[in-house]
Amino acid sequence: AAGVIQSPRHLIKEKRETATLKCYPIPRHDTVYWYQQGPGQDPQFLISFYEKMQSDKGSIPDRFSAQQFSDYHSELNMSSLELGDSALYFCASSSGPRTLHFGNGTRLTVT
Amino acid sequence: ILNVEQSPQSLHVQEGDSTNFTCSFPSSNFYALHWYRWETAKSPEALFVMTLNGDEKKKGRISATLNTKEGYSYLYIKGSQPEDSATYLCAFGWSNDYKLSFGAGTTVTVRA
Repeated sequence: AAGVIQSPRHLIKEKRETATLKCYPIPRHDTVYWYQQGPGQDPQFLISFYEKMQSDKGSIPDRFSAQQFSDYHSELNMSSLELGDSALYFCASSSGPRTLHFGNGTRLTVT
Repeated sequence: ILNVEQSPQSLHVQEGDSTNFTCSFPSSNFYALHWYRWETAKSPEALFVMTLNGDEKKKGRISATLNTKEGYSYLYIKGSQPEDSATYLCAFGWSNDYKLSFGAGTTVTVRA
């Protein structure tokens, strides 16, 4: 069965650079969630989208932006990267109040 | 944004001890309550989906109860083992829109 696809799996960037993370939800899933988990930290909810509109916002820095496109894939754009942005970024998709399906994450390392 | 609260934020448990923690959510427009287990650097694992008041679900040593009238769910871990160390997330789904609101999680650390 198709799962949530995240790309890239690993990304290395330097401080002040920009990064774009992509999430391809399971077909027919209309909701996408983004989470950030820093080393040794709790997962933090960043932002979610439902039917291409932002539906909920968590602790997403102003330097980050995200959107959901017409094909329901989502992109998380991170600018002016800081060392503290190094983390595992998960996205998840759902098609309603049922079980969420998570991707395998993108590991971002900022040097 | 609906307020889903989990408490405590973190807890430390001795191996072999049992523990429990809470997820609180709005009692109106309830549709479903989800529990996820999230280990560091891994994809979150779905534990339970509960939809009816009074639901009780069990998976191995982990179980959960649901009270939709008062808006809370408990997750229990019986005889904690080091492999139970993880962050446990709950998520509330409400009926007037197909969205989920997540709690911040309870991080459980089991000491050998």
